[in-house]
Amino acid sequence: ETGVTQTPRHLVMGMTNKKSLKCEQHLGHNAMYWYKQSAKKPLELMFVYNFKEQTENNSVPSRFSPECPNSSHLFLHLHTLQPEDSALYLCASSQDPRGTNTGELFFGEGSRLTVL
Amino acid sequence: QKEVEQNSGPLSVPEGAIASLNCTYSDRGSQSFFWYRQYSGKSPELIMSIYSNGDKEDGRFTAQLNKASQYVSLLIRDSQPSDSATYLCAVTGNQFYFGTGTSLTVIP
Repeated sequence: ETGVTQTPRHLVMGMTNKKSLKCEQHLGHNAMYWYKQSAKKPLELMFVYNFKEQTENNSVPSRFSPECPNSSHLFLHLHTLQPEDSALYLCASSQDPRGTNTGELFFGEGSRLTVL
Repeated sequence: QKEVEQNSGPLSVPEGAIASLNCTYSDRGSQSFFWYRQYSGKSPELIMSIYSNGDKEDGRFTAQLNKASQYVSLLIRDSQPSDSATYLCAVTGNQFYFGTGTSLTVIP
């Protein structure tokens, strides 16, 4: 148990569906992240929120929409995804007082997404 | 050029041997270096962090950093079957950069 909880753990959706991934951290951290992990590729940073403000958006397609209502919760809204978006989506948090997004990352268990 | 490069393996070592995992990085300004372990179907977990040149030991694990050579390594002594996993090297500049990971199998 890392203190970062993700739901759902598995999700299958069609290309026209709308779904959301949820992440909650119980560590009192100020930064939260969404990463995408595909086979044979490095972890890809998607979004970073620091004190609820989005500080990074790594050229992610608009079919992925993040939401961070407070420092403990992070959502990833999914809409009209493509089969190549099938991957493991990892949420992470860190304590990052300098705002550099370089503190040690604590990952959730991930949400395995399959797009049909 | 990739920010962080690792040999993808697979690396196989017999139980009780030393496993050596290597990582090179491209950004000379990198400040922090991490090793994460990821079991199949699980999320990465932090096992070592190192910030200055030299060695850092924690139990059976030793991280080694050489900033001049832009090289960081992880040694696992007395390898156990439970060490079988993918090991991710991560380097921070203005954000985290991860390698693709090295798959380690410890053979009983």
